[in-house]
Amino acid sequence: GEDVEQSLFLSVREGDSSVINCTYTDSSSTYLYWYKQEPGAGLQLLTYIFSNMDMKQDQRLTVLLNKKDKHLSLRIADTQTGDSAIYFCAESTGTASKLTFGTGTRLQVTL
Amino acid sequence: DAGVTQSPTHLIKTRGQHVTLRCSPISGHKSVSWYQQVLGQGPQFIFQYYEKEERGRGNFPDRFSARQFPNYSSELNVNALLLGDSALYLCASSLDRDRTLYFGPGTRLTVT
Repeated sequence: GEDVEQSLFLSVREGDSSVINCTYTDSSSTYLYWYKQEPGAGLQLLTYIFSNMDMKQDQRLTVLLNKKDKHLSLRIADTQTGDSAIYFCAESTGTASKLTFGTGTRLQVTL
Repeated sequence: DAGVTQSPTHLIKTRGQHVTLRCSPISGHKSVSWYQQVLGQGPQFIFQYYEKEERGRGNFPDRFSARQFPNYSSELNVNALLLGDSALYLCASSLDRDRTLYFGPGTRLTVT
């Protein structure tokens, strides 16, 4: 079945890089996503990667996909206090509208 | 361009009551999906509607139903509310049934 796991909490200092990790179980995943959720808000799409790619870079964000190990990571360069939020990874296997989300990683950025 | 909008923002209901949540997709988007996010967890898929037809359903009881209107807006209905239905209900739209989702701010439902 489908299962997506993330660590619950990550604390980094402002200016450092953050790396948020995710593992998934469904080898038929087609797209993998990273969403950001700020307190009391909905989900903001940050980036996504197609399953036949290894890496995708978008400004401060770098996504790495290890399909063999079913491991996805999100690296945020030069982390800022405004990056403090919960980050969810999600996978889709069929229709892109049916996503399976992880439990989220709370990123805390300290001064 | 306006993003996905949802109403109401917050709602308090009593056990056994019925609730209707509303969603307007991004202009031009024809697919609407609904997700339930219980506090401390990731969102869970409830429904997808595309061109006014149900295209997918998650593992939710029949108390949950939805529909999509000709203007592509959507309603989520929940009957016989239980305490466990308390959650943030998220609506997401996409250009068609198989494209990237864009989420609204959600409706926070509290059942007492």
